[in-house]
Amino acid sequence: NAGVTQTPKFQVLKTGQSMTLQCAQDMNHNSMYWYRQDPGMGLRLIYYSASEGTTDKGEVPNGYNVSRLNKREFSLRLESAAPSQTSVYFCASSFPSGGGTDTQYFGPGTRLTVL
Amino acid sequence: EDKVVQSPLSLVVHEGDTVTLNCSYEVTNFRSLLWYKQEKKAPTFLFMLTSSGIEKKSGRLSSILDKKELFSILNITATQTGDSAVYLCAEIQGAQKLVFGQGTRLTINP
Repeated sequence: NAGVTQTPKFQVLKTGQSMTLQCAQDMNHNSMYWYRQDPGMGLRLIYYSASEGTTDKGEVPNGYNVSRLNKREFSLRLESAAPSQTSVYFCASSFPSGGGTDTQYFGPGTRLTVL
Repeated sequence: EDKVVQSPLSLVVHEGDTVTLNCSYEVTNFRSLLWYKQEKKAPTFLFMLTSSGIEKKSGRLSSILDKKELFSILNITATQTGDSAVYLCAEIQGAQKLVFGQGTRLTINP
């Protein structure tokens, strides 16, 4: 199993450009998540998808949109990139059992720089 | 939203020392607490704690949860340079939302 994969690994954008970050998992997990990580801020949840066909806002959703394309794939879109969105983006997935065993598995991350 | 606070934010020790990392959390919708180790890339899972007072152990690492005082500790004994990393704790709240602390950057000097 590849686990959680993300593309691209690195990206540089100019202010105002748009792009989509791709995430896929092959673990048959129901839930998927997008986080951003900034120095000194830890990981902050942008959006999550509890199951195929549903998405919910996390802590910092402004400036982002998401699509849960199918059970495997969860994409994050920046419609008009801003320098404040320079960050490392992590996708994660989990298979909630309802019994407190919701370990999340992370992708390798995408380093995004907005000039 | 509940906060997760880790301390210290940064720690530098010598190889062979024992370290204790702290994580405090709030309780509104607590389900579990997770510890991760993050080196250069994605966080890797260490422990999940759900019950109070039961120590989880993996080699030189161990962790315990105190649900009365709302904190968890991560212990690393006989530290090695390979233990150098950022250690993250995160609280699972309600419906699968994870709230992370800021992380503790641990540096082990030879």
